[in-house]
Amino acid sequence: KNQVEQSPQSLIILEGKNCTLQCNYTVSPFSNLRWYKQDTGRGPVSLTIMTFSENTKSNGRYTATLDADTKQSSLHITASQLSDSASYICVVSRRGEKLTFGTGTRLTIIP
Amino acid sequence: DSGVTQTPKHLITATGQRVTLRCSPRSGDLSVYWYQQSLDQGLQFLIQYYNGEERAKGNILERFSAQQFPDLHSELNLSSLELGDSALYFCASSVDGTGDYEQYFGPGTRLTVT
Repeated sequence: KNQVEQSPQSLIILEGKNCTLQCNYTVSPFSNLRWYKQDTGRGPVSLTIMTFSENTKSNGRYTATLDADTKQSSLHITASQLSDSASYICVVSRRGEKLTFGTGTRLTIIP
Repeated sequence: DSGVTQTPKHLITATGQRVTLRCSPRSGDLSVYWYQQSLDQGLQFLIQYYNGEERAKGNILERFSAQQFPDLHSELNLSSLELGDSALYFCASSVDGTGDYEQYFGPGTRLTVT
């Protein structure tokens, strides 16, 4: 069964600290992996999208890594800000098929 | 602003009723996806349309139906509503229907069934 699992389920960190969110997937054959940020009650917003051949991709303070051999991805957030409080969703795509969504990591940044 | 619009923003209705949610994709995007997100749950894929044709189906109930019109806007129809249908409904659009390209999400419609 094609699955996407994220950890931790929730995370609380102090403003200014770094954190790393994890995503493990069993989706195969793999097409691409995306990380989305979703503020409460709003639509998800794309942070990064990586294909099989990409190991790392950055978007400002967000850096995503991908290990297609172990089927793992991580999202690293540097120097967290209060506005980073949101759910972060890992999404994996099989070529030509619907996306498989993880259940997300809820991140809370406290001052 | 993703360029995807959804109306209405909020909808409150009673059990047994029928509602229609509307989505306009980004200019140039041919594919529209519908998702349901219940409270504190992940996004559940419902259905995808590409250039007017149904492309993929997910966990969509028989009471729900959708269509995409020639101008590419889409409507999601929910009938015989139950309390459990209360959720956020998101529409997303992308340039093609393969899943290889970015999906842009709308702001969502919050449906409350009382």
